[in-house]
Amino acid sequence: AQSVTQLGSHVSVSEGALVLLRCNYSSSVPPYLFWYVQYPNQGLQLLLKYTTGATLVKGINGFEAEFKKSETSFHLTKPSAHMSDAAEYFCAVEKGGTSYGKLTFGQGTILTVHP
Amino acid sequence: DAGVIQSPRHEVTEMGQEVTLRCKPISGHDYLFWYRQTMMRGLELLIYFNNNVPIDDSGMPEDRFSAKMPNASFSTLKIQPSEPRDSAVYFCASSLKRTGVEKLFFGSGTQLSVL
Repeated sequence: AQSVTQLGSHVSVSEGALVLLRCNYSSSVPPYLFWYVQYPNQGLQLLLKYTTGATLVKGINGFEAEFKKSETSFHLTKPSAHMSDAAEYFCAVEKGGTSYGKLTFGQGTILTVHP
Repeated sequence: DAGVIQSPRHEVTEMGQEVTLRCKPISGHDYLFWYRQTMMRGLELLIYFNNNVPIDDSGMPEDRFSAKMPNASFSTLKIQPSEPRDSAVYFCASSLKRTGVEKLFFGSGTQLSVL
């Protein structure tokens, strides 16, 4: 069975500061990994995904994440936070193959950006 | 493209009533997913379809829940009878599988409140 743990249900940063949202996963096979963002009253939007290849993945809005197999982590970072980054962020894992589309989500991390 | 369209945006009903949630996926997408989001359990996959055929309904909580996809452009999730613990945001998502992992496009969700 797969699981996803997001460390910290709330993260608060100052505008311009580094954003670091943590995600650890457990999976019996090499997983596909995703970060989604949810703005208030909206559905989820894909930020970035890792499938194979380069372990540093760049996404939209200046976000990136690094897949570290040895640490079973897929932390999300952004060098400089913007007020518009305030949202809830979800890490997700998919086993792939016949499990296509069956995402297991973490509990989410609410990011607050203050001036 | 208008994206994934869900209706209604909000539904308030009384315990015991039948509730029907609707989803129109993105045209041409061959996968459709129903997710539920609650504070306690986070995001859970309820059921998904491929080419209108239900593939995995193991996430459907109980027999009160049913989902159909009569054609490629429409799906419903029905709860009968509804209970207060069904209160949640229900998301529909669609995707198109090509030669790799494709991202899910989520609708804006239906906020269901069962009184």
